[in-house]
Amino acid sequence: DQQVKQNSPSLSVQEGRISILNCDYTNSMFDYFLWYKKYPAEGPTFLISISSIKDKNEDGRFTVFLNKSAKHLSLHIVPSQPGDSAVYFCAASPINNNDMRFGAGTRLTVKP
Amino acid sequence: DVKVTQSSRYLVKRTGEKVFLECVQDMDHENMFWYRQDPGLGLRLIYFSYDVKMKEKGDIPEGYSVSREKKERFSLILESASTNQTSMYLCASSLWETQYFGPGTRLLVL
Repeated sequence: DQQVKQNSPSLSVQEGRISILNCDYTNSMFDYFLWYKKYPAEGPTFLISISSIKDKNEDGRFTVFLNKSAKHLSLHIVPSQPGDSAVYFCAASPINNNDMRFGAGTRLTVKP
Repeated sequence: DVKVTQSSRYLVKRTGEKVFLECVQDMDHENMFWYRQDPGLGLRLIYFSYDVKMKEKGDIPEGYSVSREKKERFSLILESASTNQTSMYLCASSLWETQYFGPGTRLLVL
């Protein structure tokens, strides 16, 4: 069962515009959420995280929003750059991170 | 900087061969993980270890085993490789919530 879902397999945006990647989860025990970025032939790299006590976390061009009641989080990238083109994975875990669950990923393409 | 290295970037093996994938981390992390990544399925946990000589099954342990004799090293073993084990294998380590990944090993089983 997919406890973390990324329903959009791909997203294409123009350089300079906002990219919004979405993620839904079903397990109410999740209280820590992460986004990873993955280039082809490389391992995922940690991008940004948020704990359930917050509803927003910002790091430069990247902002993650958490809506606990809707069990939904999103990653906003603004402005988008061609170097942001990659696959983005959403992940979630309860307080014990040994049970981290990943979404299927969304491939973002930023066009110049 | 956390560094997680994997012994091979690409491997080609024949059906029935025993395959060893090695992972080393240099940050003294307690926890280490093995995942496989397949298109449309995301990352699926095969095994993890929270201490030396300790191991726990993940979601898809069948056909795999692991070994953790030293804190920094976590090995994934395919006892008898099969074509459905062709995949990208990713190792990760963590101290707390955030996991740090190695570059991955793309395994092709013929």
